[in-house]
Amino acid sequence: KNEVEQSPQNLTAQEGEFITINCSYSVGISALHWLQQHPGGGIVSLFMLSSGKKKHGRLIATINIQEKHSSLHITASHPRDSAVYICAVRSGTSGSRLTFGEGTQLTVNP
Amino acid sequence: EAGVTQSPTHLIKTRGQQATLRCSPISGHTSVYWYQQALGLGLQFLLWYDEGEERNRGNFPPRFSGRQFPNYSSELNVNALELEDSALYLCASSLTGSRYGYTFGSGTRLTVV
Repeated sequence: KNEVEQSPQNLTAQEGEFITINCSYSVGISALHWLQQHPGGGIVSLFMLSSGKKKHGRLIATINIQEKHSSLHITASHPRDSAVYICAVRSGTSGSRLTFGEGTQLTVNP
Repeated sequence: EAGVTQSPTHLIKTRGQQATLRCSPISGHTSVYWYQQALGLGLQFLLWYDEGEERNRGNFPPRFSGRQFPNYSSELNVNALELEDSALYLCASSLTGSRYGYTFGSGTRLTVV
Protein backbone atom coordinates (compact mmCIF):
# COMPACT_ATOMS: atom_id res chain seq x y z
CA LYS A 1 0.00 0.00 0.00
CA ASN A 2 1.32 3.44 -0.92
CA GLU A 3 1.96 5.87 1.88
CA VAL A 4 -0.09 8.46 -0.02
CA GLU A 5 -3.31 7.52 -1.82
CA GLN A 6 -5.30 9.87 -4.01
CA SER A 7 -8.79 9.56 -5.40
CA PRO A 8 -10.10 9.67 -7.96
CA GLN A 9 -7.32 8.84 -10.43
CA ASN A 10 -9.21 10.54 -13.25
CA LEU A 11 -11.93 13.15 -13.07
CA THR A 12 -13.89 14.76 -15.88
CA ALA A 13 -16.11 17.73 -15.12
CA GLN A 14 -18.13 20.35 -16.92
CA GLU A 15 -17.13 23.97 -16.66
CA GLY A 16 -18.57 25.53 -13.54
CA GLU A 17 -18.77 22.34 -11.49
CA PHE A 18 -17.44 22.03 -7.95
CA ILE A 19 -14.57 19.56 -7.82
CA THR A 20 -13.10 17.59 -4.93
CA ILE A 21 -9.90 15.57 -4.97
CA ASN A 22 -9.06 13.47 -1.93
CA CYS A 23 -5.77 12.43 -0.38
CA SER A 24 -5.20 9.92 2.41
CA TYR A 25 -1.86 9.17 3.98
CA SER A 26 -0.65 6.55 6.40
CA VAL A 27 2.36 8.19 8.07
CA GLY A 28 2.80 10.98 10.54
CA ILE A 29 3.50 14.17 8.65
CA SER A 30 4.94 17.59 9.26
CA ALA A 31 3.24 19.09 6.20
CA LEU A 32 1.07 18.19 3.22
CA HIS A 33 1.44 19.79 -0.18
CA TRP A 34 -0.94 20.09 -3.09
CA LEU A 35 0.80 20.47 -6.44
CA GLN A 36 -0.43 21.13 -9.95
CA GLN A 37 1.32 19.69 -12.99
CA HIS A 38 0.42 20.86 -16.47
CA PRO A 39 1.22 19.00 -19.71
CA GLY A 40 4.92 19.48 -20.36
CA GLY A 41 5.74 18.68 -16.76
CA GLY A 42 6.22 21.92 -14.86
CA ILE A 43 4.96 21.74 -11.30
CA VAL A 44 3.38 24.56 -9.34
CA SER A 45 3.01 24.36 -5.59
CA LEU A 46 -0.59 25.28 -4.72
CA PHE A 47 -0.72 24.83 -0.96
CA MET A 48 1.30 23.68 1.98
CA LEU A 49 -0.82 22.64 4.97
CA SER A 50 -0.13 21.38 8.44
CA SER A 51 -3.61 22.02 9.86
CA GLY A 52 -6.99 23.50 9.07
CA LYS A 53 -7.86 25.10 5.79
CA LYS A 54 -6.33 27.40 3.20
CA LYS A 55 -7.96 29.29 0.35
CA HIS A 56 -6.46 30.87 -2.72
CA GLY A 57 -8.85 32.19 -5.31
CA ARG A 58 -11.11 29.35 -6.39
CA LEU A 59 -8.96 26.73 -4.69
CA ILE A 60 -9.53 25.49 -1.16
CA ALA A 61 -7.44 22.90 0.66
CA THR A 62 -8.36 21.26 3.94
CA ILE A 63 -6.59 18.79 6.15
CA ASN A 64 -7.74 16.59 9.04
CA ILE A 65 -4.64 15.45 10.90
CA GLN A 66 -6.51 12.96 13.11
CA GLU A 67 -8.06 11.23 10.11
CA LYS A 68 -4.91 11.57 7.98
CA HIS A 69 -6.92 13.03 5.15
CA SER A 70 -6.83 16.12 2.96
CA SER A 71 -9.08 17.46 0.25
CA LEU A 72 -8.52 19.91 -2.57
CA HIS A 73 -11.62 21.71 -3.79
CA ILE A 74 -12.01 23.78 -6.94
CA THR A 75 -15.06 26.02 -7.13
CA ALA A 76 -16.51 27.17 -10.46
CA SER A 77 -14.12 24.95 -12.41
CA HIS A 78 -12.72 26.17 -15.72
CA PRO A 79 -11.02 24.38 -18.63
CA ARG A 80 -7.73 26.03 -17.65
CA ASP A 81 -7.91 24.04 -14.39
CA SER A 82 -7.28 20.88 -16.44
CA ALA A 83 -4.06 19.41 -15.08
CA VAL A 84 -2.72 16.67 -12.85
CA TYR A 85 -3.13 17.44 -9.17
CA ILE A 86 -0.67 15.76 -6.85
CA CYS A 87 -0.79 15.34 -3.10
CA ALA A 88 2.58 15.04 -1.36
CA VAL A 89 3.53 14.66 2.27
CA ARG A 90 6.58 15.52 4.26
CA SER A 91 6.84 12.92 7.00
CA GLY A 92 8.83 13.08 10.18
CA THR A 93 10.76 9.95 9.27
CA SER A 94 11.84 11.01 5.80
CA GLY A 95 13.52 14.28 6.62
CA SER A 96 12.65 17.04 4.25
CA ARG A 97 11.83 14.95 1.21
CA LEU A 98 8.33 14.59 -0.19
CA THR A 99 6.40 11.37 -0.79
CA PHE A 100 3.90 11.75 -3.60
CA GLY A 101 0.52 10.37 -4.45
CA GLU A 102 -0.06 9.05 -7.95
CA GLY A 103 -1.90 12.18 -9.00
CA THR A 104 -5.41 12.95 -10.20
CA GLN A 105 -5.88 13.82 -13.85
CA LEU A 106 -8.56 16.51 -14.02
CA THR A 107 -10.22 17.44 -17.30
CA VAL A 108 -12.70 20.29 -17.33
CA ASN A 109 -14.77 20.50 -20.48
CA PRO A 110 -16.30 23.77 -21.71
CA GLU B 1 12.75 37.17 -8.74
CA ALA B 2 13.87 34.23 -10.87
CA GLY B 3 12.32 30.87 -10.06
CA VAL B 4 14.07 27.53 -9.96
CA THR B 5 15.81 27.09 -13.28
CA GLN B 6 16.81 23.78 -14.78
CA SER B 7 18.96 23.05 -17.79
CA PRO B 8 18.81 21.67 -20.31
CA THR B 9 15.07 21.39 -20.89
CA HIS B 10 15.55 18.35 -23.09
CA LEU B 11 18.43 15.91 -23.33
CA ILE B 12 18.86 12.91 -25.58
CA LYS B 13 21.56 10.39 -24.76
CA THR B 14 22.58 6.95 -25.87
CA ARG B 15 22.48 3.96 -23.56
CA GLY B 16 25.74 3.72 -21.60
CA GLN B 17 26.51 7.43 -21.79
CA GLN B 18 26.48 9.88 -18.90
CA ALA B 19 23.99 12.70 -18.41
CA THR B 20 24.45 15.87 -16.37
CA LEU B 21 21.45 17.91 -15.33
CA ARG B 22 21.67 21.29 -13.64
CA CYS B 23 19.50 23.22 -11.22
CA SER B 24 19.70 26.76 -9.88
CA PRO B 25 17.56 27.33 -6.80
CA ILE B 26 15.71 30.45 -5.84
CA SER B 27 18.05 33.01 -4.33
CA GLY B 28 18.38 32.37 -0.61
CA HIS B 29 17.21 28.76 -0.78
CA THR B 30 19.82 26.40 0.58
CA SER B 31 18.05 23.07 -0.01
CA VAL B 32 17.79 21.41 -3.41
CA TYR B 33 15.80 18.26 -4.10
CA TRP B 34 15.85 16.05 -7.16
CA TYR B 35 12.88 13.94 -8.22
CA GLN B 36 12.33 11.51 -11.09
CA GLN B 37 9.04 11.11 -12.90
CA ALA B 38 9.20 8.17 -15.28
CA LEU B 39 6.52 7.85 -17.94
CA GLY B 40 3.28 6.64 -16.41
CA LEU B 41 4.72 6.65 -12.91
CA GLY B 42 4.51 9.05 -10.01
CA LEU B 43 7.24 11.29 -8.71
CA GLN B 44 10.03 9.52 -6.87
CA PHE B 45 12.52 11.19 -4.55
CA LEU B 46 16.12 10.98 -5.74
CA LEU B 47 18.40 13.22 -3.69
CA TRP B 48 18.37 16.07 -1.19
CA TYR B 49 21.24 18.52 -0.81
CA ASP B 50 21.49 21.19 1.84
CA GLU B 51 24.39 23.52 2.58
CA GLY B 52 26.58 21.58 0.17
CA GLU B 53 25.98 18.18 1.75
CA GLU B 54 23.93 15.20 0.63
CA ARG B 55 21.29 14.86 3.35
CA ASN B 56 19.10 12.06 2.06
CA ARG B 57 18.92 9.68 -0.84
CA GLY B 58 16.06 7.79 -2.42
CA ASN B 59 16.02 4.17 -3.52
CA PHE B 60 18.15 4.62 -6.64
CA PRO B 61 21.40 2.90 -7.67
CA PRO B 62 24.78 4.59 -7.08
CA ARG B 63 25.07 5.59 -10.73
CA PHE B 64 22.67 8.40 -9.79
CA SER B 65 24.78 10.97 -8.00
CA GLY B 66 25.05 14.68 -7.63
CA ARG B 67 26.52 17.57 -5.79
CA GLN B 68 25.70 21.02 -4.54
CA PHE B 69 28.00 23.94 -5.17
CA PRO B 70 28.86 26.83 -2.80
CA ASN B 71 26.28 29.01 -4.58
CA TYR B 72 23.68 26.27 -3.77
CA SER B 73 23.16 25.28 -7.40
CA SER B 74 23.20 21.57 -7.99
CA GLU B 75 24.09 18.95 -10.55
CA LEU B 76 22.54 15.53 -11.01
CA ASN B 77 24.73 13.00 -12.79
CA VAL B 78 23.45 9.75 -14.19
CA ASN B 79 26.16 7.35 -15.30
CA ALA B 80 25.88 4.26 -17.52
CA LEU B 81 22.48 5.36 -18.77
CA GLU B 82 19.79 2.73 -19.21
CA LEU B 83 16.64 2.99 -21.28
CA GLU B 84 14.50 3.07 -18.14
CA ASP B 85 16.27 6.23 -17.01
CA SER B 86 14.18 8.09 -19.58
CA ALA B 87 12.07 10.40 -17.45
CA LEU B 88 11.30 13.94 -16.42
CA TYR B 89 13.76 15.05 -13.75
CA LEU B 90 12.45 17.78 -11.51
CA CYS B 91 14.42 19.97 -9.16
CA ALA B 92 12.88 21.83 -6.25
CA SER B 93 14.34 24.26 -3.76
CA SER B 94 13.38 25.47 -0.33
CA LEU B 95 14.71 27.10 2.76
CA THR B 96 16.04 24.57 5.24
CA GLY B 97 13.39 23.16 7.54
CA SER B 98 10.13 21.32 7.19
CA ARG B 99 7.96 24.37 7.74
CA TYR B 100 8.98 25.90 4.41
CA GLY B 101 7.34 25.22 1.10
CA TYR B 102 8.94 24.09 -2.10
CA THR B 103 9.39 25.80 -5.45
CA PHE B 104 9.73 23.47 -8.41
CA GLY B 105 11.59 23.94 -11.66
CA SER B 106 10.13 23.05 -15.04
CA GLY B 107 12.19 19.91 -15.34
CA THR B 108 14.64 18.29 -17.71
CA ARG B 109 13.22 15.62 -19.98
CA LEU B 110 15.90 12.96 -20.45
CA THR B 111 15.46 10.48 -23.27
CA VAL B 112 17.80 7.50 -23.48
CA VAL B 113 17.88 5.76 -26.85
